[in-house]
Amino acid sequence: GNSVTQMEGPVTLSEEAFLTINCTYTATGYPSLFWYVQYPGEGLQLLLKATKADDKGSNKGFEATYRKETTSFHLEKGSVQVSDSAVYFCALSAPRAGSYQLTFGKGTKLSVIP
Amino acid sequence: DSGVTQTPKHLITATGQRVTLRCSPRSGDLSVYWYQQSLDQGLQFLIQYYNGEERAKGNILERFSAQQFPDLHSELNLSSLELGDSALYFCASSVGGSGIPYNEQFFGPGTRLTVL
Repeated sequence: GNSVTQMEGPVTLSEEAFLTINCTYTATGYPSLFWYVQYPGEGLQLLLKATKADDKGSNKGFEATYRKETTSFHLEKGSVQVSDSAVYFCALSAPRAGSYQLTFGKGTKLSVIP
Repeated sequence: DSGVTQTPKHLITATGQRVTLRCSPRSGDLSVYWYQQSLDQGLQFLIQYYNGEERAKGNILERFSAQQFPDLHSELNLSSLELGDSALYFCASSVGGSGIPYNEQFFGPGTRLTVL
C-alpha cells in the first residue's frame, strides 16, 4: 500500500536558520505530493503541492521538489520565522476509483525561537 | 478560514456512548473526507463520500459509520465508544470527480473527542 515517511521532530531552530524536513514515499502509480501545515489549535492547511516528477511546489518561502528517482519530497525554507512554528505533514494522493484520499506522514513539529 | 465547518468543536463523553460529528463542506464541493488524528496512529483516512454516495473506505472501524445528505453535509457516527477513540476528527471537502491529477482538499478545524 501507500506510505509516507518523514523525519520526526521535534525540530527547534533559531530565527533565520535554514530548514529541511525530509519526506520519502512509497506508492503505486503516479501520486501527487503535498505538504500540509497545522498551526496550534487549527485544522490543516495546504502549504504546497507537486503533481508530477520534477515539479517544484512553492509557497510562502517554502519549497519542495518531486523527485521520482529517490521517491522524495523534502521541504525546505531558507530563513525560518517564529511564525513558521507549526506541525508539518507530508502527504500523497494516488487516485483510485475516483478517490483522492490522502496518506499522511506522522508529522514534524517545528519550533522557531527568536 | 477554509470554508469547511465542523461541529461541535469539543465533545466529552463516556465509554459505551454514541456521538455524531457534523461537517459542512465548502460551497460547491461534492466530496467529503473524514480523517482521524490520534497520538499513536497519526492522521488516518476513514471514509469518503461523493455526492451522497460512499466512494472509498479506509481504516474505519465497524462501530463507526458516516453518511452524506442531499444538502451535502456529512455526519460521522461513532458508537460503543472506547478510550482509544479519543482523537481529533477532521473532515475535508473537495470538488470531487475523477480524471484529474489531484483534488485539493480543504480541511475543517476538527472536532476533539474525549472519551472518559
